[in-house]
Amino acid sequence: GAVVSQHPSRVICKSGTSVKIECRSLDFQATTMFWYRQFPKQSLMLMATSNEGSKATYEQGVEKDKFLINHASLTLSTLTVTSAHPEDSSFYICSARPLSAGYTEAFFGQGTRLTVV
Amino acid sequence: SQQGEEDPQALSIQEGENATMNCSYKTSINNLQWYRQNSGRGLVHLILIRSNEREKHSGRLRVTLDTSKKSSSLLITASRAADTASYFCATDEPYFSGNTGKLIFGQGTTLQVKP
Repeated sequence: GAVVSQHPSRVICKSGTSVKIECRSLDFQATTMFWYRQFPKQSLMLMATSNEGSKATYEQGVEKDKFLINHASLTLSTLTVTSAHPEDSSFYICSARPLSAGYTEAFFGQGTRLTVV
Repeated sequence: SQQGEEDPQALSIQEGENATMNCSYKTSINNLQWYRQNSGRGLVHLILIRSNEREKHSGRLRVTLDTSKKSSSLLITASRAADTASYFCATDEPYFSGNTGKLIFGQGTTLQVKP
């Protein structure tokens, strides 16, 4: 099946620094990718829809200046957590869905565990 | 945004028993999917049921969908210790609403299967 690769899997950064997370679709093109955030023992909260060649669409309550999304190619989307603070510590997961006669299943990256100290 | 509730939130059973998880959603859907997540990992797709389907099977999995009640259930038969994971339902926006492909997830059920 299709593969989505996310990197890094784990990152620890100091408060105030920025962290970039990459999400790649390895064997299909993705005009849109999705970024989710997950707190311990909770569900996935959609943060934003990443659109190739245009601005991302953010969900209500998500700070676009805090979570910068770039979708520069049909196989790569990046999420940059700017000026990270401890409350940004979380598990971030990206996903993409091949579009073939309609959307079917989504493929997920392995997730990135961000710890801000 | 969250689509709805899943129950139970946690389920603990013995190997060999069946596990049933329920999911409710709020809006019209195109399809409903179930995903599995092992601790600290990404999600893996299990099964998709379209809005015009009522039941679907895949191996030991059985999914039902009741669009009048906006609910779905996932049944895992003859459970194994390896089935221990969190299970999430996710819904897809209807095409007529400008479907962007985003999925909205339920709260999830944490399943523990004891050997």
